[in-house]
Formats: sequence, structure tokens, C-alpha cells
Amino acid sequence: DAKTTQPTSMDCAEGRAANLPCNHSTISGNEYVYWYRQIHSQGPQYIIHGLKNNETNEMASLIITEDRKSSTLILPHATLRDTAVYYCIVRGNTPLVFGKGTRLSVIA
Amino acid sequence: ETGVTQSPTHLIKTRGQQVTLRCSSQSGHNTVSWYQQALGQGPQFIFQYYREEENGRGNFPPRFSGLQFPNYSSELNVNALELDDSALYLCASSPAPGLQRVDTQYFGPGTRLTVL
Repeated sequence: DAKTTQPTSMDCAEGRAANLPCNHSTISGNEYVYWYRQIHSQGPQYIIHGLKNNETNEMASLIITEDRKSSTLILPHATLRDTAVYYCIVRGNTPLVFGKGTRLSVIA
Repeated sequence: ETGVTQSPTHLIKTRGQQVTLRCSSQSGHNTVSWYQQALGQGPQFIFQYYREEENGRGNFPPRFSGLQFPNYSSELNVNALELDDSALYLCASSPAPGLQRVDTQYFGPGTRLTVL
């Protein structure tokens, strides 16, 4: 079973920041937080991952709380092409376990 | 683009037949994982291959088998196809875990299998 809890769906206006929350209260010290997204019928796309520090790359930022029990993925300027299912996954050196994710709809 | 390719894109089989799906990993990656994604569900881990050996398996029966070749490409074989095997089959390649002790997996576009 997935170790994370995410909202089922969210809407975001085009051009605004999309903030996707994830709860992972049972995360272990050596487990990372990974984010993937899946656009309809395509393979999942890696976005970002982190252990305890906040991370930023060209796609997104990942904010992890100090107690590591939750995190937020931030897409700074959402576009229509960011409409997808976003998966938050907690893992060590183990297979990816996908939950149901959050369906993000970016609205013009 | 991840550099991970899969073939074929789509195929249709009938119950009881056998199927082979193929995956070419990203350059420099020596690990391949296979996932099954049924309609409306998240991907589920089937198994992983590292340096041509199975390196972990999910809750799938033995009729799901695989191979990895010296160039790190991989095959997924499914025997005695059942209707419930209809799904998107995804492969993901990754480098060795390295200093972080976790591997980041990069997915291919998938093969859509329909079993009639």
C-alpha cells in the first residue's frame, strides 16, 4: 500500500502557482519523497525528489516540513500542459509504490 | 524525453496466447523495472532486473517473466494471457543507486496490451 495521502483532485488557474500537498506521516529516516506525474495514457514523468532539504529544479520546487511528515510540490507558473495526475511516493531503495495521486486540472 | 523506448506501442492478443514486450533503457542505466497499469489505477510493480538478474518481484504470478540482456535492454513475457492482463505495461530504467542509495527511475511511453 502507498504510504502517502493526497487530495483526489485540484484545480489551478493558468499562470498561477499550483501547490500540491502530500502527507507521509510514517516516513522513515532513510526514505525519500519522490514526485512523478502522468499525463493521460503516457508513462509517468519524474519531477523531483528530496530527503529533508527543500529542492528546486527546472520543473518544480519541493518543500518538505521539518518533521518530514508532509511535503508540497510547487509548480510556479502552471500551464495547460501541466494537467496530469501527480503522484507523491515515499521510498528507500525499493520499487515505486503508486497510490491514486492528485488529478490536477489547469484551467485557462 | 527519457531515452527509454518500448515496443510495440499497442497490441491485441486473445486469451491463452503469449506476448513479449520490449524495452530499451536509457544510456548508462543498468537497471530495468517493469510495471503494470490497469485502467484507472496507478502502476503496480512487476519485477526489476539488475545486471541480467531478477532483483525483486511484486505480487505477480510466474507466468510473468522477464529477461535482461548484456546491453541492459529487457523483455517482459506473459504466458497464458487472461482478460485481466489488459493494461498499459511500463518499463523504467535507472542507474545504480550511487551515493544516495536510491535510484531515480525514468519511464518509457508504455505498451498498451488488450486481451480479447
